[in-house]
Amino acid sequence: DAGVIQSPRHEVTEMGQEVTLRCKPISGHDYLFWYRQTMMRGLELLIYFNNNVPIDDSGMPEDRFSAKMPNASFSTLKIQPSEPRDSAVYFCASRAGGGNEQFFGPGTRLTVL
Amino acid sequence: GEDVEQSLFLSVREGDSSVINCTYTDSSSTYLYWYKQEPGAGLQLLTYIFSNMDMKQDQRLTVLLNKKDKHLSLRIADTQTGDSAIYFCAEITGAGSYQLTFGKGTKLSVIP
Repeated sequence: DAGVIQSPRHEVTEMGQEVTLRCKPISGHDYLFWYRQTMMRGLELLIYFNNNVPIDDSGMPEDRFSAKMPNASFSTLKIQPSEPRDSAVYFCASRAGGGNEQFFGPGTRLTVL
Repeated sequence: GEDVEQSLFLSVREGDSSVINCTYTDSSSTYLYWYKQEPGAGLQLLTYIFSNMDMKQDQRLTVLLNKKDKHLSLRIADTQTGDSAIYFCAEITGAGSYQLTFGKGTKLSVIP
């Protein structure tokens, strides 16, 4: 298995632009998580899905952030409009429903100028 | 509430043992995890322990859990330069919960 796949690995954009981050979970995993990592706040859970349905989005910072999971093999995290304080590494992770292990992707490093 | 605390830095000499400590506040934690993050990479799951266990050993890694003190530790025997990374402690609380709460991470530096 290729593991969790994220794209792009790096994204540099200007303030006000729309940013879309993509994730492909491990095949057969029915839980998908989006995290944000910053020096100040560490790793924060933004939202997670079960069987493509958002379960808890209480970590999403504000309405500029949205996440979708149109099918079991694809999810997006969108920021519109982006701001410099959104600069962070965004991780996607997935987990099998009956398992205890959460597997992380390599992350997308976002820089908003 | 949930809070996971770790010291930020640890420095050891190659060949020595490393012990990374973590404390948590939620007594209902069911599983506790150790992840490793190398520079520019994602988080790699190293090991985890169920809350009804005191110890778990996996090759050079030993996890100790003291539920009374809410203290978790990760011991790395014969530490190598390739072990240099940030180590994160994380917990899952509550039956049926899938949300991980992470500590801020401990940066382990191995001196050759």
